[in-house]
Amino acid sequence: EAGVAQSPRYKIIEKRQSVAFWCNPISGHATLYWYQQILGQGPKLLIQFQNNGVVDDSQLPKDRFSAERLKGVDSTLKIQPAKLEDSAVYLCASSEFLAGGYTDTQYFGPGTRLTVL
Amino acid sequence: AQSVTQLDSHVSVSEGTPVLLRCNYSSSYSPSLFWYVQHPNKGLQLLLKYTSAATLVKGINGFEAEFKKSETSFHLTKPSAHMSDAAEYFCVVSLSGGSYIPTFGRGTSLIVHP
Repeated sequence: EAGVAQSPRYKIIEKRQSVAFWCNPISGHATLYWYQQILGQGPKLLIQFQNNGVVDDSQLPKDRFSAERLKGVDSTLKIQPAKLEDSAVYLCASSEFLAGGYTDTQYFGPGTRLTVL
Repeated sequence: AQSVTQLDSHVSVSEGTPVLLRCNYSSSYSPSLFWYVQHPNKGLQLLLKYTSAATLVKGINGFEAEFKKSETSFHLTKPSAHMSDAAEYFCVVSLSGGSYIPTFGRGTSLIVHP
């Protein structure tokens, strides 16, 4: 079974530039998550999709970050314009949706390491 | 609201000695609880999960965790540490009922000395 795919693996940009990350979840997984992991901290959930609908985006800085999952499969996370503090690893994860509100295991991609200069 | 607290940022043990990584949570609902491990330059991997079945949960590589509702804890243990256990460990809590919105702890770095 193929895992969660992310690209690119590394990205270096200047501040105020734009950047986009792509994620392809495990086939059949209805739930997709984007996390930001700053060095030395735990992952912070940015946005969670259930199929192509947003379940939670309360921690997404909407003035500069956007995400979409148009066909309920792969997803794109964009930052425009980037700031120095956006330097982090961006993780994508997917999971199966279970009835009754219990969630299944999250499967994580390798992440994209973003450096903003 | 829900939150998770990992009580130690670093835990240092000798190879062959027991491991204890502490996690306390708060949740308005019956939680689902997870431990994930992150080895250097590798992705996050599930160690074990609790979803209201048995309170003592066994995971991979000899790890286990006990859900204690009265103490709101979900500590991770292993009887004998191995060098390959050196990694970052994350405790995760989620709501049950309605939407699952995961919250990660800050992580505990496990250091294993020869």
